[in-house]
Amino acid sequence: DTGVSQNPRHKITKRGQNVTFRCDPISEHNRLYWYRQTLGQGPEFLTYFQNEAQLEKSRLLSDRFSAERPKGSFSTLEIQRTEQGDSAMYLCASSFAGLNNEQFFGPGTRLTVL
Amino acid sequence: GEDVEQSLFLSVREGDSSVINCTYTDSSSTYLYWYKQEPGAGLQLLTYIFSNMDMKQDQRLTVLLNKKDKHLSLRIADTQTGDSAIYFCAESPNYGQNFVFGPGTRLSVLP
Repeated sequence: DTGVSQNPRHKITKRGQNVTFRCDPISEHNRLYWYRQTLGQGPEFLTYFQNEAQLEKSRLLSDRFSAERPKGSFSTLEIQRTEQGDSAMYLCASSFAGLNNEQFFGPGTRLTVL
Repeated sequence: GEDVEQSLFLSVREGDSSVINCTYTDSSSTYLYWYKQEPGAGLQLLTYIFSNMDMKQDQRLTVLLNKKDKHLSLRIADTQTGDSAIYFCAESPNYGQNFVFGPGTRLSVLP
């Protein structure tokens, strides 16, 4: 297993379009997280799953955002009707719920909304 | 609310020690973490400390935790140019359900 992977690595879209990102976690990890990172800031938590259940969503996650993890493995994050303020790096992380819950991060998907 | 603060920039000379500081607000955080982010790369976990510990050493890295003051520091001994990166402090207020990250400290290592 080579770690957490994310696709695509870059996405450029026009305002108002929908976009979908995919995250493949480390295979034995049961927790999966989505974060958003803008320039000069630390990652901000969006949502997380334990297996296929979405257990927590941040206030940052507006109703234009939806995330799924249908089989408890890969996850998708969809943004509908994108806005310029959605431009950011979207990071995925996975962990195995346990002692220290160490989160392993993917390389991110950079979204640019024109 | 939850808030993690860090100074934004630090410059050191190669071979010196670097100390990156962090303050956090949630005293219930069980673990505190240090992540490193290099340009164009994902976040890499450097080390973590359990909240009932005062210090943890791992090769060139030393983490100090002052739980009373909610202050965390990361010391890098014999800093190298390859250590140039952004370092993020993170707390886990809900026992790992999500992390709250600081804004990151950009470490520049001068030759």
